[in-house]
Amino acid sequence: AQSVTQPDIHITVSEGASLELRCNYSYGATPYLFWYVQSPGQGLQLLLKYFSGDTLVQGIKGFEAEFKRSQSSFNLRKPSVHWSDAAEYFCAVGAGGFQKLVFGTGTRLLVSP
Amino acid sequence: DTGVSQDPRHKITKRGQNVTFRCDPISEHNRLYWYRQTLGQGPEFLTYFQNEAQLEKSRLLSDRFSAERPKGSFSTLEIQRTEQGDSAMYLCASSLGTGENTEAFFGQGTRLTVV
Repeated sequence: AQSVTQPDIHITVSEGASLELRCNYSYGATPYLFWYVQSPGQGLQLLLKYFSGDTLVQGIKGFEAEFKRSQSSFNLRKPSVHWSDAAEYFCAVGAGGFQKLVFGTGTRLLVSP
Repeated sequence: DTGVSQDPRHKITKRGQNVTFRCDPISEHNRLYWYRQTLGQGPEFLTYFQNEAQLEKSRLLSDRFSAERPKGSFSTLEIQRTEQGDSAMYLCASSLGTGENTEAFFGQGTRLTVV
């Protein structure tokens, strides 16, 4: 069965510092991978996705993620965090022919001044 | 089109009552999904429609839950005889296409509180 692990429940980063959020997946076939962000009380906004091709994908708001098949990882990065980036981040893998999403438990990002 | 719309945004109900939520997907999106998100967890898949056909239901969707998508447009999710364990955020998403590499767009969700 497909699964996603986000090992960090909370992460605190100083504003302006770099960020890396970890994501490991388990999926038997070629994975379709996603990162979503969720602000309090809001729905999910897609940051970026990986379907095939270049393993380094660029997303919105200055985020990028790198797919590493050998490590079953799809870590999210940002070179300089802004206070507005404080939110919950979810990694997900697309499963099944119709792309239902299997989500990790999320990482809550706190940004300190 | 402003995206996926869900109504209501919040619902408080007494245990044992029935509730119904509505989702309006992005126009022309043929796929529609329902997810449930409890506090501190990621969303969990409930069910999926392609046009008006409900093609898959999760084991999470007990017989108290029913979803419809008449005419392949909006969808409703009904919970009968609500229980406190049903308290959660119910998220709707839609996407376009028949292949595997489609992107799902999410609504803002309906937060259900069962008291």
